[in-house]
Amino acid sequence: EPEVTQTPSHQVTQMGQEVILRCVPISNHLYFYWYRQILGQKVEFLVSFYNNEISEKSEIFDDQFSVERPDGSNFTLKIRSTKLEDSAMYFCASGRSSATDTQYFGPGTRLTVL
Amino acid sequence: KNEVEQSPQNLTAQEGEFITINCSYSVGISALHWLQQHPGGGIVSLFMLSSGKKKHGRLIATINIQEKHSSLHITASHPRDSAVYICAVIEAQKLVFGQGTRLTINP
Repeated sequence: EPEVTQTPSHQVTQMGQEVILRCVPISNHLYFYWYRQILGQKVEFLVSFYNNEISEKSEIFDDQFSVERPDGSNFTLKIRSTKLEDSAMYFCASGRSSATDTQYFGPGTRLTVL
Repeated sequence: KNEVEQSPQNLTAQEGEFITINCSYSVGISALHWLQQHPGGGIVSLFMLSSGKKKHGRLIATINIQEKHSSLHITASHPRDSAVYICAVIEAQKLVFGQGTRLTINP
């Protein structure tokens, strides 16, 4: 059964460094999402992406964040200058159609900022 | 902005018991999702529903759009049902999540 994959599973970085989190969505899906979950807190929406552009973003998704679908298969989240408070689990998800359709989540990348 | 509240926050039950988890939200929506987060952190979509009731195996989800309320029921609960269950409402192109209900089923 197709699944969403994410790499790396765990990333440790120093404050101020740039990180790129990678996701490979399910191949025939058209809608892509990034979510984050700070330890012990609820899941939060970051951004949705469709037709090679951002369709919606949250107030968390400021200028430090960017997303890209560089090659038609990967979907990346870049954090330009990481802060301690960026430490969280980051989930990628994809779906065939809009947010009303089932979303398939990747296993997550745990980001630790030191 | 939609506020999504789940109750209870934690629920411990014995194997075989009937489980109910509730979700209420503040702003009218077209649909919502029920998700399951495993102890390892992975998230699986259980249901997307916009009206009435859906059933999948031992899981049943209901929604009352007018009352802004949804419930997730588990019949004949089993220890493998132990997980965090999350309600998420659809708002435009994003999901707004509840805080989750941690369910523990003891053998």
